[in-house]
Amino acid sequence: DAGVTQSPTHLIKTRGQQVTLRCSPKSGHDTVSWYQQALGQGPQFIFQYYEEEERQRGNFPDRFSGHQFPNYSSELNVNALLLGDSALYLCASSQTGPQLGAFFGQGTRLTVV
Amino acid sequence: ILNVEQSPQSLHVQEGDSTNFTCSFPSSNFYALHWYRWETAKSPEALFVMTLNGDEKKKGRISATLNTKEGYSYLYIKGSQPEDSATYLCASFFMYSGGGADGLTFGKGTHLIIQP
Repeated sequence: DAGVTQSPTHLIKTRGQQVTLRCSPKSGHDTVSWYQQALGQGPQFIFQYYEEEERQRGNFPDRFSGHQFPNYSSELNVNALLLGDSALYLCASSQTGPQLGAFFGQGTRLTVV
Repeated sequence: ILNVEQSPQSLHVQEGDSTNFTCSFPSSNFYALHWYRWETAKSPEALFVMTLNGDEKKKGRISATLNTKEGYSYLYIKGSQPEDSATYLCASFFMYSGGGADGLTFGKGTHLIIQP
């Protein structure tokens, strides 16, 4: 079992561009959550996907959107990138919800210049 | 806005010594408390998930306690080893009336360095 895998591991984008990050959940998990960790902060909840729909959303603007595919993998899209979007983006998978445990990927380090 | 606080922010401990650190969280709408261990360049690894007041969990030299009434959890490491060096994150899960939730709310972590 490969666990939770995220791609790419690092990327650099220019202000105003758009980016797509990808996550494959642990085998048997149907729920994917995305978190943003800015420097010096704890991870902040962006949103959660279950059954291909956004089930819950944190305090992030509409520039952050996502998708979940029938195989439970997920994408996080960020439009009109700002310098402040530079962060580590973590994906976590779980069965039905993270309340009783979540498995995390290694993250994607996004740098906006 | 729910705040989960961890202290201290960083900690240097001599190898062989025992140590502990704290996570505090709002008691209202509390459902579960998670502890994660996060080594550099790796994924956060779940240590414990606790839901009941007075719950205690143990995994080898690491243990945790939970007080849901007063809103805190302690993580203890007995006989620290260099491989314990990592950032320890706590996260709370809150459930609202009607079943709504906001994902995990994380603290900023305690950065633990074990000195040989």
